[in-house]
Amino acid sequence: QSALTQPASVSGSPGQSITISCTGTSSDVGAYNYVSWYQQFPGEAPRLMIYEVSNRPSGISHRFSGSKSGYTAFLTISGLQADDEAHYYCSSYTISNTVVFGGGSKLTVL
Amino acid sequence: EVQMVESGGAVVQPGGSLRLSCAASKFTFESYTLHWVRQPPGKGLEWVSLISWDGISSYYADSVRGRFTISRDNSKNSLYLQMNSLRTEDTAFYYCAKGVTTPDYWGQGTLVTVSS
Repeated sequence: QSALTQPASVSGSPGQSITISCTGTSSDVGAYNYVSWYQQFPGEAPRLMIYEVSNRPSGISHRFSGSKSGYTAFLTISGLQADDEAHYYCSSYTISNTVVFGGGSKLTVL
Repeated sequence: EVQMVESGGAVVQPGGSLRLSCAASKFTFESYTLHWVRQPPGKGLEWVSLISWDGISSYYADSVRGRFTISRDNSKNSLYLQMNSLRTEDTAFYYCAKGVTTPDYWGQGTLVTVSS
């Protein structure tokens, strides 16, 4: 049950686009389209931003999008805003009927 | 709106036990897989366990298997986590969450501190 690999930090200027990667294996990210992304602010619970690789829950901005290629999933945030600054985590369902998270990426809006 | 409220967090000594509860409402509780996820203060998320909608199947992270037990009571819209043989590395915020595969909606968490 090794964690998915995310960059520890990413940054971008307001209005720009950034992409966060999430790399797993054939047992998790590569096995199913059950990858989710979460946004977390300090002191708060995680909030679902993307589910099943590329689907947005109701109320989530179209600026957030997800994709996957092979064993790597991606979260793209376009039109970066100051209040996007947060930690972002990916997760994947696995072939063992468990769930694995990425180590998290801190997004800094410059 | 979905509501999930954890309770039972406390300070406990190494080797001790604790039972967490999660009260849920505003969704069809008995239809959903439920999860426990934890987060040590200042660190990342770690999935702990999940239980199927009917309570028949449950799965655990290697780090807690054999020490923690997940259960649910669909008649009470409640999820539980029995934690035994607690270690200092179990110190974390514990979140309950619903989700058929990966967690979707999360509660606000309850803090478990394992310390002598």
